Amino acid sequence: GAGVSQSPSNKVTEKGKDVELRCDPISGHTALYWYRQSLGQGLEFLIYFQGNSAPDKSGLPSDRFSAERTGGSVSTLTIQRTQQEDSAVYLCASSPAPGDQPQHFGDGTRLSIL
Amino acid sequence: LAKTTQPISMDSYEGQEVNITCSHNNIATNDYITWYQQFPSQGPRFIIQGYKTKVTNEVASLFIPADRKSSTLSLPRVSLSDTAVYYCLVGDMRNFNKFYFGSGTKLNVKP
Repeated sequence: GAGVSQSPSNKVTEKGKDVELRCDPISGHTALYWYRQSLGQGLEFLIYFQGNSAPDKSGLPSDRFSAERTGGSVSTLTIQRTQQEDSAVYLCASSPAPGDQPQHFGDGTRLSIL
Repeated sequence: LAKTTQPISMDSYEGQEVNITCSHNNIATNDYITWYQQFPSQGPRFIIQGYKTKVTNEVASLFIPADRKSSTLSLPRVSLSDTAVYYCLVGDMRNFNKFYFGSGTKLNVKP
């Protein structure tokens, strides 16, 4: 496909479980971003990858959150010991180069913590 | 990091022109202004970007005054399908850190 792909589209899990969210960016895009969007709210920046450089993790809300990007392409956002406040839509975006607009967004993973 | 202020919501009717204004008093010299549109259950989608004066594309116009402390997104002749949340964000294209999306403006177009 030509767009950013995220999986799963929906995830329901119990409090305390670990979850992994996946993002496949547009081929050739070197910059990848993760955002979180709580119900009715704007987007909250989480983390940013640029090529093989160390990621900018300044937006991660706690040490339960981590992310990696393998081979400069696919990225995985992991949330350990999930809490109810982690319930949100997690959005991934990519762009050809750092700071480039537009950022191309996937449709997100809706995470619900029971 | 330049933050933005937008109205929480706006109502309009089909066929009208809609203007959504965004305030960004702390915009920096190298910051660009970008607008995104988001429908329910979808990721945001790029609408338009500008630095100063006026930019127009096939879907919208962006007006930026000389002091750049605000910007106005203009949507001509809106339809029901333009009902969405519109985000204004500013950021430095050369020295990217992160772009601040804010809470956006919920536009409700009525028949």
